[in-house]
Amino acid sequence: EDKVVQSPLSLVVHEGDTVTLNCSYEVTNFRSLLWYKQEKKAPTFLFMLTSSGIEKKSGRLSSILDKKELFSILNITATQTGDSAVYLCAVEARGVRDDKIIFGKGTRLHILP
Amino acid sequence: NAGVTQTPKFQVLKTGQSMTLQCAQDMNHNSMYWYRQDPGMGLRLIYYSASEGTTDKGEVPNGYNVSRLNKREFSLRLESAAPSQTSVYFCASRSRRGNQPQHFGDGTRLSIL
Repeated sequence: EDKVVQSPLSLVVHEGDTVTLNCSYEVTNFRSLLWYKQEKKAPTFLFMLTSSGIEKKSGRLSSILDKKELFSILNITATQTGDSAVYLCAVEARGVRDDKIIFGKGTRLHILP
Repeated sequence: NAGVTQTPKFQVLKTGQSMTLQCAQDMNHNSMYWYRQDPGMGLRLIYYSASEGTTDKGEVPNGYNVSRLNKREFSLRLESAAPSQTSVYFCASRSRRGNQPQHFGDGTRLSIL
């Protein structure tokens, strides 16, 4: 059965700290891994990773994929209170008519001022 | 830019009532999806549609029906609402050209009494 497991499920840190969020997966016909940030409403797209070892970076956020060990990490440096959100990891697997997208349960991150 | 539009934003139903959640996208995307999100459960796929006129079951289809009447619109119907269907429902769409992430609507918060 395809699955995506995120850890930790919740995390509380102080502003300025660096955090690492983890995502491991088991899927057949892997196509890509995606990270989303969800505040009060819709998830917003952060990164799509398809190749091992290539870091994607956007400001203080970065992510990398290891296709051999089947995991990805999302790093946030110099955290700010605006980074408080649920971070969702999703894995896309090739299907017959369309790709299947499986979400993890998310990591709830809270940044204390 | 409207993106993905869901209506209504909130709804309260009594057990046994029926209703249809509407979703429309203006990005000319082929694929559309319906998810439900429950506390601590991440996003779970209910149904998806790879193209106009086709629909497929996702992870949790029981108790729901869908219609993809045209390329823009993908509706989700609850024929006889049950308290277990209390959830936040998200619609998403995606282009199948290249490897593109999903775009999400703002969600419909549904409560079944």
